Formats: sequence, structure tokens, C-alpha cells
Amino acid sequence: GAVVSQHPSRVICKSGTSVKIECRSLDFQATTMFWYRQFPKQSLMLMATSNEGSKATYEQGVEKDKFLINHASLTLSTLTVTSAHPEDSSFYICSAPSGTGVDEQYFGPGTRLTVT
Amino acid sequence: SQKIEQNSEALNIQEGKTATLTCNYTNYSPAYLQWYRQDPGRGPVFLLLIRENEKEKRKERLKVTFDTTLKQSLFHITASQPADSATYLCAPENRDDKIIFGKGTRLHILP
Repeated sequence: GAVVSQHPSRVICKSGTSVKIECRSLDFQATTMFWYRQFPKQSLMLMATSNEGSKATYEQGVEKDKFLINHASLTLSTLTVTSAHPEDSSFYICSAPSGTGVDEQYFGPGTRLTVT
Repeated sequence: SQKIEQNSEALNIQEGKTATLTCNYTNYSPAYLQWYRQDPGRGPVFLLLIRENEKEKRKERLKVTFDTTLKQSLFHITASQPADSATYLCAPENRDDKIIFGKGTRLHILP
């Protein structure tokens, strides 16, 4: 089946720095990818929809200047957490539609971000 | 606004029994509904999709029903095994082509 990878799997950064997370579709092309955030024992919250070649669409309450999304190719979307703070510590997961005509999503393994 | 409710935060089931998880939604009519499994520290994995014109769908030990009148989907795992322990998420279709999840039900299969 289709595979989505994320890099890094874990990252620790200092408060005030920026962190980039990559999401790749390994054996299929994805014009759309989704970014989610998940706090401990909470459900996945959709942050934004990443669109290849155009601007991302952010969900209400998500700061687009803080969470920069770039979808530069059909296999790569990146999420940059700018000026990270401890409250940004979370599990970030991306997904891409399977492209089979229904909206089954393939999820990446997630990135655990810890901001100290 | 659209609302998704999975009525059990956690569910303990004895091994070998059938586990039944519930997903209710309000304020919209999805054309289909998906179920995912998530293990701790991992991304969700797609399990089943059921369309509004399908009453029931099966895959091995899994069975999903979809009642558009009740606005409810039931997810069954028969002959449950400890390896089935995970969080199960339902995701009714969203007209904006996004996947919005319920809070999930943590299922524990007790040996």
C-alpha cells in the first residue's frame, strides 16, 4: 500500500527556535496533504490543508504565520513551526489521500516535537 | 456546527468477545464514514470505509454498520484479541474534503 513518511520522528528544540518537519508520499503523488496535531490522550486536530503549488488552507484558530506550510512538489510538504514555545510541544502527523477515488488517508508515522 | 461523538472514552472487553464501538454525528449528512486505528505514538491506519447506501461492511473480523437515520455507525471486532487493543477513530466524510476525527475510543482487550 501507499506509504507516507515523516522526518524527523522526534525533535527537541529550544524555545524561540524554528523547526521544520517533512512529510513525503513515497510511492504516489499527493496534490493535497493534511497536517494534524495531537496532544496526549486527545484526538487529532486538523491544522491545515497543504495544496501543491498554492497556499495552504488553515483551520480556524491556527496561526498561519506561526505554522508555515510549503507544498513544493507532488511528494513533499513541509511544516515549519516558527519561534517555537513549550506549548507547541505536541505530536504532529501528516496525511495524504490515497487517490483511489475515495478519501482514504495514508498517515505518516508522526513527529514528536518537544520545545524546552 | 458538525459534531462527532464516540460515546466511550475507554472500553474493556474480555478476549474472545465482540467489541462494539459507537460513533454518532450531528448537524450533517456524510456520504461515507471511515474508521481508523491508532496505536500509541503512531499515525492512524485506515481500516474500513462505508458509504451512505451501504448498511454494513465487513473485513475479516471487523464489521461496520452505518445508519443514516440514526446518524450513527457501529464498529464491531469479533473474536477480539489483545492485539486489537488500540484507539479507534471514526471520521465521517466532510464536504470540504477534509478528514475530521472523533475523539476516539481506547479499546483494551483483556487476556
